[in-house]
Amino acid sequence: GAGVSQSPSNKVTEKGKDVELRCDPISGHTALYWYRQRLGQGLEFLIYFQGNSAPDKSGLPSDRFSAERTGESVSTLTIQRTQQEDSAVYLCASKLARNSYNEQFFGPGTRLTVL
Amino acid sequence: AQTVTQSQPEMSVQEAETVTLSCTYDTSENNYYLFWYKQPPSRQMILVIRQEAYKQQNATENRFSVNFQKAAKSFSLKISDSQLGDTAMYFCAFLTVVGKSTFGDGTTLTVKP
Repeated sequence: GAGVSQSPSNKVTEKGKDVELRCDPISGHTALYWYRQRLGQGLEFLIYFQGNSAPDKSGLPSDRFSAERTGESVSTLTIQRTQQEDSAVYLCASKLARNSYNEQFFGPGTRLTVL
Repeated sequence: AQTVTQSQPEMSVQEAETVTLSCTYDTSENNYYLFWYKQPPSRQMILVIRQEAYKQQNATENRFSVNFQKAAKSFSLKISDSQLGDTAMYFCAFLTVVGKSTFGDGTTLTVKP
């Protein structure tokens, strides 16, 4: 079946603009994660969803970042008033269930560049 | 809160040799899950191996095995008979039973011919 998809694959924007990143998880996966990966660095946890609710938003860097998930499928990560330090690859992952042993399946990521 | 530390930013190994990547973590929880993920230069992250904290037996997947030392909070990855395709960034990851995920900063492994 299809894996996790993310769109767009690349996004270049100007400082101060809003951007919306999309993640389509694997069908049936109830858990969904967003991460940020700066160049050559590790994964920074942003938020995860169990179904449509987000039990842990502690990783969101500021109130400019928000995420939502509808219908236990697609999720969008919105960054308002983008700053240059927001430039990174944003990775989405989905998982069959939140509290099980199952692995996270990652999408290819969205590379965001803020000029 | 959990932390995951990978103390080796870069490693290299000769093809067919064995290499060990280190990972330590800090947590107050007694049950949790540990993973090693691989991110090749094409950047799609894939699972290498996983371990449940309450299982004492070390996980093994073909050429990949772990040395899990729960008391020491250590979870190292051993790659035997290294292949050129093993060149990638390797991440150690911690998952709580309620789903909170923490990744280390990664180790870039280069396999030399």
